[in-house]
Amino acid sequence: EIVMTQSPATLSVSPGERATLSCRASQSVSSNLAWYQQKPGQAPRLLIYGASTRATGIPARFSGSGSGTEFTLTISSLQSEDFAVYYCQQYNNWPPLYTFGQGTKLEIK
Amino acid sequence: QLQLQESGPGLVKPSETLSLTCTVSGGSISSSSYYWGWIRQPPGKGLEWIGSIYYSGSTYYNPSLKSRVTISVDTSKNQFSLKLSSVTAADTAVYYCARHLGVVTAPTDYWGQGTLVTVSS
Repeated sequence: EIVMTQSPATLSVSPGERATLSCRASQSVSSNLAWYQQKPGQAPRLLIYGASTRATGIPARFSGSGSGTEFTLTISSLQSEDFAVYYCQQYNNWPPLYTFGQGTKLEIK
Repeated sequence: QLQLQESGPGLVKPSETLSLTCTVSGGSISSSSYYWGWIRQPPGKGLEWIGSIYYSGSTYYNPSLKSRVTISVDTSKNQFSLKLSSVTAADTAVYYCARHLGVVTAPTDYWGQGTLVTVSS
């Protein structure tokens, strides 16, 4: 099983500033990496797939980068609605064995 | 707009079988373009993929749950279902149904709102 490790566990950032979240895979997942945003009491929302492709309707301030084992989600200018928990997920296995990181909580500084 | 809705008992006794159904509206579960999946999240914890199904009935399961999981599809009702047997308190979680973005391994782009299932006597 591919283990996904996110850092930091909690990130405190002020509105308007940039946030950088990291995700590391225990082995290469190529570009088969997605990012999700989850707010309290809500289902996760797909932000990024293919490591860098924004999902439908996702604002341009969200960007993803990386390949292999190291990935980054950047939020260029934090809005109030961006404070949430973010998960990375790999989908590189065949047959499928999707695994998620443990999450990074993005909180208001 | 595609919508998914989970339904089923919110309380299940230990050793019994958890059964949930996901009803898809605004789109056809028989589309050849998508898989459909179940994901769960214990209270205050992270996400765990349970398994996924194609409209033809082809399934893939998380090996850690495979011995207890059955996912099935009913294309006539535009639904797919989850059964998890021999549940324990560790199976207490919010259960989500979702649509995968493709037919090879793919992330999930549409999710249901989730339903909390508590395992307790």
